[in-house]
This record gives sequence, C-alpha cells and structure tokens, in this order.
Amino acid sequence: GNSVTQMEGPVTLSEEAFLTINCTYTATGYPSLFWYVQYPGEGLQLLLKATKADDKGSNKGFEATYRKETTSFHLEKGSVQVSDSAVYFCALRGYSSASKIIFGSGTRLSIRP
Amino acid sequence: DAGVTQSPTHLIKTRGQQVTLRCSPKSGHDTVSWYQQALGQGPQFIFQYYEEEERQRGNFPDRFSGHQFPNYSSELNVNALLLGDSALYLCATTTDRELTGELFFGEGSRLTVL
Repeated sequence: GNSVTQMEGPVTLSEEAFLTINCTYTATGYPSLFWYVQYPGEGLQLLLKATKADDKGSNKGFEATYRKETTSFHLEKGSVQVSDSAVYFCALRGYSSASKIIFGSGTRLSIRP
Repeated sequence: DAGVTQSPTHLIKTRGQQVTLRCSPKSGHDTVSWYQQALGQGPQFIFQYYEEEERQRGNFPDRFSGHQFPNYSSELNVNALLLGDSALYLCATTTDRELTGELFFGEGSRLTVL
C-alpha cells in the first residue's frame, strides 16, 4: 500500500539557517504529494503541493520537488525564521477520486532567535 | 467564506461512553474525511464520506462510525470509548471533482477519555 516516511524530529535550527526535511514515499501510479504545516494551537494547513514528476511546489519561501526516480519530496527553505516553528507533515494522495491522503509522522521544527 | 468547522472543540468522556463529533465542510465541498491524530503522531485516516455513503475506510474498528447528511455535513461516532481513543479528531473536506486536490482541515475536536 501507499506510505510516507519522513525525517524524525525534533529539528532545532538558528534563525537564517538552511532547512531540509526529508520525505520519501511508496506508491503505485502517480500520486500527488503535499507538505502540510501545523502551527502551535492551529489546524493543519497546506504549505505546498506537486501533482506530477519534476513539479516544484513553493510557498512562503519553502520549496519541494517531486522526484519520481528517488521517490522523494524533500522540503527546503534557504533562511528560516522564528515564525516557521511548527510541525511539518509530508503526505500523499493516490490518483483516484476515492483516494485518501496518507500522512507521515511529522517533524517538529524549532527555530532559535 | 467559512472554512471547515468542527464541534465541540474539547470534550471529556469516561471509558465505555459514546461520543458524537460534528463537521461542516468548506463551502462547495462534498467529500468529508475523518482523521485521528494521537499526540506526537501524524493524522491517521478513519473514513471518507461522499454522497452520504462511506466510500473508503482505514484500519479502525466498527466502534467508529459516521454519517453524512444531504447538506454534506458529517458526524463521527465512537462507541464504547477506550483510553486509547484520546486524540485530536480532524475533519477534512474537498471536492470530488478535483482528483489531485488538497484537503482543507478544521481545527479539530480534542477528545480526552478518562
């Protein structure tokens, strides 16, 4: 079945550091890939998505590229801010109208001023 | 435009009791999914409703049941509560027409079972 594996946390960085959170997936066919973010005290919200191989999703300075050859969708940001402190979830959805979204276990990111 | 709304936001129950959680979808959305998020974990898929039918189900026992109404709103029912059912329950909605679309989440109902 479909599954998502993401880098374990927590991850602690200093402000303006470079961020990478690794995510790999297992799926049949051509899934859509997502990064969701959960800020403290808030609900899950979509950060970015990519729907086909080699697509790059981007938002708020974050980027992730859909790599079918390595089945990966790593999240990157060149210069993190304290406000980026949150839990980040990698997720996938199979290509089907009935398909559920499957989430990774989440990576907690803390940014020091 | 109201997003996904859930009620109640917090509740406390004791073992063996039953609970009903409610969800109103984002305007224009017809597909409702329910997820359970235990502390420190990713959301786990419970089931999905479309056209008032359960279309897909995750690995949860029959104690977990649901319903979707003609206005697309939905309920999640859990019977015979166990301590392990303590979690954040998330409702997520989308439109069935968008095959690659994202899910929009409510802020969740936090259930504590004592």
